[in-house]
Amino acid sequence: DTGVSQNPRHKITKRGQNVTFRCDPISEHNRLYWYRQTLGQGPEFLTYFQNEAQLEKSRLLSDRFSAERPKGSFSTLEIQRTEQGDSAMYLCASSSREGLTDTQYFGPGTRLTVL
Amino acid sequence: QKEVEQNSGPLSVPEGAIASLNCTYSDRGSQSFFWYRQYSGKSPELIMFIYSNGDKEDGRFTAQLNKASQYVSLLIRDSQPSDSATYLCAVNLLGNEKLTFGTGTRLTIIP
Repeated sequence: DTGVSQNPRHKITKRGQNVTFRCDPISEHNRLYWYRQTLGQGPEFLTYFQNEAQLEKSRLLSDRFSAERPKGSFSTLEIQRTEQGDSAMYLCASSSREGLTDTQYFGPGTRLTVL
Repeated sequence: QKEVEQNSGPLSVPEGAIASLNCTYSDRGSQSFFWYRQYSGKSPELIMFIYSNGDKEDGRFTAQLNKASQYVSLLIRDSQPSDSATYLCAVNLLGNEKLTFGTGTRLTIIP
């Protein structure tokens, strides 16, 4: 079990540029989640996939954000035309069913800084 | 009212004492409750979860859930300096897998 991995770990970009992040979940997990966390706040839900199907998107996920999980394995999160307000830690989690509960395990995150 | 509320702290506890962290939630449809630990600059790490009223123990950690009072807590026994971190409470609703987090409580264990 290698855990959830995310790349890159850090990204600095200029306002208006597009960025893409990748998440590789724990191999046997079929659910994958994206969250965003800013300083002093808890993570905020963005979207989640079950296999390749995107089942829910937050209203936080504007039309500049898009996420995919094409083969039900890794996922990408793209932000187009980045804004300074997009600066945050982007967290990916994958989950397994433990009894009645879906238990989410987080990757190390991608820290985005928009200049 | 926020969906999940935690005292932001900081909470300072002497080494070896019991640290008590509290969380309240607003939605009575909340099903499962999670405690995550987050060190500065790192991602959240799952400590434990609970979904039935009462206590659940795992090593030095005990989660307590009271659905009538919409209250969940985490006790850390024999606190160690390595327990110094931000503790995040998270809940999910029945049939909805996303987690809703509180803002976290910063805990400092004083040697």
